[in-house]
Amino acid sequence: NAGVTQTPKFRVLKTGQSMTLLCAQDMNHEYMYWYRQDPGMGLRLIHYSVGEGTTAKGEVPDGYNVSRLKKQNFLLGLESAAPSQTSVYFCASSYLGYMNTEAFFGQGTRLTVV
Amino acid sequence: QQQVKQSPQSLIVQKGGISIINCAYENTAFDYFPWYQQFPGKGPALLIAIRPDVSEKKEGRFTISFNKSAKQFSLHIMDSQPGDSATYFCAASRTGNQFYFGTGTSLTVIP
Repeated sequence: NAGVTQTPKFRVLKTGQSMTLLCAQDMNHEYMYWYRQDPGMGLRLIHYSVGEGTTAKGEVPDGYNVSRLKKQNFLLGLESAAPSQTSVYFCASSYLGYMNTEAFFGQGTRLTVV
Repeated sequence: QQQVKQSPQSLIVQKGGISIINCAYENTAFDYFPWYQQFPGKGPALLIAIRPDVSEKKEGRFTISFNKSAKQFSLHIMDSQPGDSATYFCAASRTGNQFYFGTGTSLTVIP
């Protein structure tokens, strides 16, 4: 049981380049999330999804787009990378239910924009 | 606006001591308060969680204390060990909605 898998684990981009981060979960969770983690800022929610075909904006959505075409996958896109998007990105998923609300995180993607 | 405020930002404790991390929230609709532990190079992992119908939850050396009227909750690590050195995040959510995380506390336990 792999849990939440993020691809790639590391990436260096030049300013203006685009890329897509892939998140896959095998727990049949309804909810999926993309967070960025920066020193002193904690985990900030970029976008999230409450089910296949749905997405919603989080706290810091500007410069990012997402898609959830399949329940198990949640993609995060950067159309034109900026140095301010240098961060560690985490994907997470959770089950929709009162008694089982734990969020499971991937290992993270360290992105550097130069 | 920070939905969940966490303090301190960093904490150094001697081995065997008690580590205490505090969090405060504003939204009274929150009904789930987890603590996550993160080791360097890893994703956060659930450590312990509490719902507002109880004031305390204990799992081994880890205890959450919850004060609903003050809208505060805290993590206590008893008999702190070097292996507990990690970053700890508190969070809050309303069932069926997204999680809001605190800014994290870097804990160092000195042998």
